[in-house]
Amino acid sequence: GAGVSQTPSNKVTEKGKYVELRCDPISGHTALYWYRQSLGQGPEFLIYFQGTGAADDSGLPNDRFFAVRPEGSVSTLKIQRTERGDSAVYLCASSPGGDPYEQYFGPGTRLTVT
Amino acid sequence: QKEVEQDPGPLSVPEGAIVSLNCTYSNSAFQYFMWYRQYSRKGPELLMYTYSSGNKEDGRFTAQVDKSSKYISLFIRDSQPSDSATYLCAMSETPAGGTSYGKLTFGQGTILTVHP
Repeated sequence: GAGVSQTPSNKVTEKGKYVELRCDPISGHTALYWYRQSLGQGPEFLIYFQGTGAADDSGLPNDRFFAVRPEGSVSTLKIQRTERGDSAVYLCASSPGGDPYEQYFGPGTRLTVT
Repeated sequence: QKEVEQDPGPLSVPEGAIVSLNCTYSNSAFQYFMWYRQYSRKGPELLMYTYSSGNKEDGRFTAQVDKSSKYISLFIRDSQPSDSATYLCAMSETPAGGTSYGKLTFGQGTILTVHP
């Protein structure tokens, strides 16, 4: 079956602009996660949804970052007033029920802020 | 200090060698221990997971967890050029109130090259 998909695969934006990154999880997966991976580093947790609600948003770095999952399926990560330090690969993962060992990752969106 | 430390390498070995990859951690609440493989410009894919301490074997891969030392390892036997990738350890707590369950804390990743 289809895996986790993320769009766009690459996004180049200017400093100060607003961006939206989309994640389509595996059908039927109730849990969805966003991570950020900087060059040469492991992924860092941003936010976790169980259904439509954000169960844990402790990893969002500041109030410029926001994520939604209005219907419990597709999720959008929104970044306002982008900064060069936001440049990274943004990874999305989904899980059938939230178990930590069942996260399936998408290919990521590579965000470059110039 | 990071919660999870992993030697970034890079590690280069000949085909057929035994590879040992390691992580140390500081959070004693971690109970789930995972190893992911990540190819260039791809998302991580789960190789193995272990709950609490002990060993787990799957084909050429063996995962070990020593909670008393806060140390985990992944061994790859008879390594192949197709094993060349970045290997990430990841850890998670058990549900305590439910909110942190599933949140993974990753190591930096070790870059492995297996040459023919």
